[in-house]
Amino acid sequence: NAGVTQTPKFRVLKTGQSMTLLCAQDMNHEYMYWYRQDPGMGLRLIHYSVGEGTTAKGEVPDGYNVSRLKKQNFLLGLESAAPSQTSVYFCASRDIVYNEQFFGPGTRLTVL
Amino acid sequence: GDSVTQMEGPVTLSEEAFLTINCTYTATGYPSLFWYVQYPGEGLQLLLKATKADDKGSNKGFEATYRKETTSFHLEKGSVQVSDSAVYFCALDTDSWGKLQFGAGTQVVVTP
Repeated sequence: NAGVTQTPKFRVLKTGQSMTLLCAQDMNHEYMYWYRQDPGMGLRLIHYSVGEGTTAKGEVPDGYNVSRLKKQNFLLGLESAAPSQTSVYFCASRDIVYNEQFFGPGTRLTVL
Repeated sequence: GDSVTQMEGPVTLSEEAFLTINCTYTATGYPSLFWYVQYPGEGLQLLLKATKADDKGSNKGFEATYRKETTSFHLEKGSVQVSDSAVYFCALDTDSWGKLQFGAGTQVVVTP
């Protein structure tokens, strides 16, 4: 039981490049989330999904896209990376019975 | 909108000292309240939660009481250990989608 895993762990991009962050969970959770963590700002919600094939915007969605083609996977895409997207990205899935979110280990992204 | 305010860190303590981290919130609904902990290099883990006024959440020697009259959810531990060194986040959710609003986080450093 791996919980929530994220790929890659680290990445450096140049401005304008694109990339996809992968989140996978093996707990059969319907709800999944992408957050970004910046110094002094806590975590902010980018996008979330309440089930396979669904996505919705969070607090800071601009510049990101997401897809939930399979229940266990939630992908976060950056089409044209900007330095302002330098951050640590966390994925989470939610046990709706106990209302607890389980977080992955994070992806540290640097955009030059 | 909903928001969470928590005391700034870092908080530096000696082992066996008493720890308090203040957290206050503003919310239009009836939020559930959470404390998450992030150990160095890891994702967030749920430490404790409370779902309604006067509920007390507790785990690993930590406690927090949901105070609706003061809109607070302060975290306390009577005797900290070096292993409690981490960043602590207060958070709330106010809807059924589980979208979390986080405070900025408080770094706690416990020295031997």
